[in-house]
Amino acid sequence: EAQVTQNPRYLITVTGKKLTVTCSQNMNHEYMSWYRQDPGLGLRQIYYSMNVEVTDKGDVPEGYKVSRKEKRNFPLILESPSPNQTSLYFCASKLELQGHYEQYFGPGTRLTVT
Amino acid sequence: AQSVTQLGSHVSVSEGALVLLRCNYSSSVPPYLFWYVQYPNQGLQLLLKYTSAATLVKGINGFEAEFKKSETSFHLTKPSAHMSDAAEYFCAVSLHGGSQGNLIFGKGTKLSVKP
Repeated sequence: EAQVTQNPRYLITVTGKKLTVTCSQNMNHEYMSWYRQDPGLGLRQIYYSMNVEVTDKGDVPEGYKVSRKEKRNFPLILESPSPNQTSLYFCASKLELQGHYEQYFGPGTRLTVT
Repeated sequence: AQSVTQLGSHVSVSEGALVLLRCNYSSSVPPYLFWYVQYPNQGLQLLLKYTSAATLVKGINGFEAEFKKSETSFHLTKPSAHMSDAAEYFCAVSLHGGSQGNLIFGKGTKLSVKP
């Protein structure tokens, strides 16, 4: 089944404890992206990647890191999480090909930082 | 820069009534437009998309949207609401490929359906 998977789905952690949220897609998509969703703000892009070893900042990159060593994986790293990073996180992917425009989303990771 | 405005953060309709969720966009070039739906505790699912073909776009679950360039709008409609339509709906815009293919989302409209 074609899908985007994220792990973990739920995470509660403490301020300053490094964490990684994994994202993997099995559709051979070049483009991958991370969003955070906050009530009343919709989804805002954190980072995106056009292909392996190519990443760029989105609208709200502060406090986050990403890497793209393999095409299928795009982990989101919080080196020193803070309470304002409590949010619902979505990973997405899409084909970088003319005629393919929609993004496919993972199920989300709900992160709480205390 | 592109932007999306969804009018009304909450919309409530009765079962069987017309659903109308409003979306206006701002873009300096012809955009691609999308509606996504998010059911409670789930991820985002694509409802429909406009990519410069027909201006009236039909999606899943009986939803449709019409691209109106003169009004810079892409409103989502469904003739008859069902209880299962209760969800949050997001309108999004992107330009063409490459980094311009990044999605810009509206803030979302939560749809409630009363019996």
